[in-house]
Amino acid sequence: DADVTQTPRNRITKTGKRIMLECSQTKGHDRMYWYRQDPGLGLRLIYYSFDVKDINKGEISDGYSVSRQAQAKFSLSLESAIPNQTALYFCATSDAVQLQETQYFGPGTRLLVL
Amino acid sequence: DQQVKQNSPSLSVQEGRISILNCDYTNSMFDYFLWYKKYPAEGPTFLISISSIKDKNEDGRFTVFLNKSAKHLSLHIVPSQPGDSAVYFCAASNSGNTPLVFGKGTRLSVIA
Repeated sequence: DADVTQTPRNRITKTGKRIMLECSQTKGHDRMYWYRQDPGLGLRLIYYSFDVKDINKGEISDGYSVSRQAQAKFSLSLESAIPNQTALYFCATSDAVQLQETQYFGPGTRLLVL
Repeated sequence: DQQVKQNSPSLSVQEGRISILNCDYTNSMFDYFLWYKKYPAEGPTFLISISSIKDKNEDGRFTVFLNKSAKHLSLHIVPSQPGDSAVYFCAASNSGNTPLVFGKGTRLSVIA
């Protein structure tokens, strides 16, 4: 079984709809992240959480919100989806014990906003 | 302002030859550098890393070189194989105090 899972893997939605992307991990890591990937723009950080009570904005948090329901779960919400939020979304985790961290990524969610 | 730059969006290399992917950074506080590999429809996977106390780290066909004075690192793949065709991301961090900062990626195509 995969250590970092994302649901759904693909989603098509309409402008103005609220959607939630979910991430679960079995690695026991404290830190979790949400990124989006767009062609030519690489991986951009949306939000991150260093533990259950910690939420931080990343580079491009506008239009998004997150919830850290438990150590193993970190969800990303688009309150009112817009077409330029069409992208690949990746969840990642890392271990806070190691100062020099390696992040481990989920398989991604492909989102299309019409 | 980009702190991690991969100035070559794409690179094509013949099978069996060396692939060299480059990465520059601007933040002198970065002390840990990583390379990730990404295939289509999959998440990025960790490939190799290097601490700022070293100037070279090798793992099989993959070697990462770090030049701190030039704020430059490179990934060498020798010999290149068709299965190496992917997008490669360079990333940097400041000892876990902040999340990784990623470059925009370089798409490597290894031609048989």
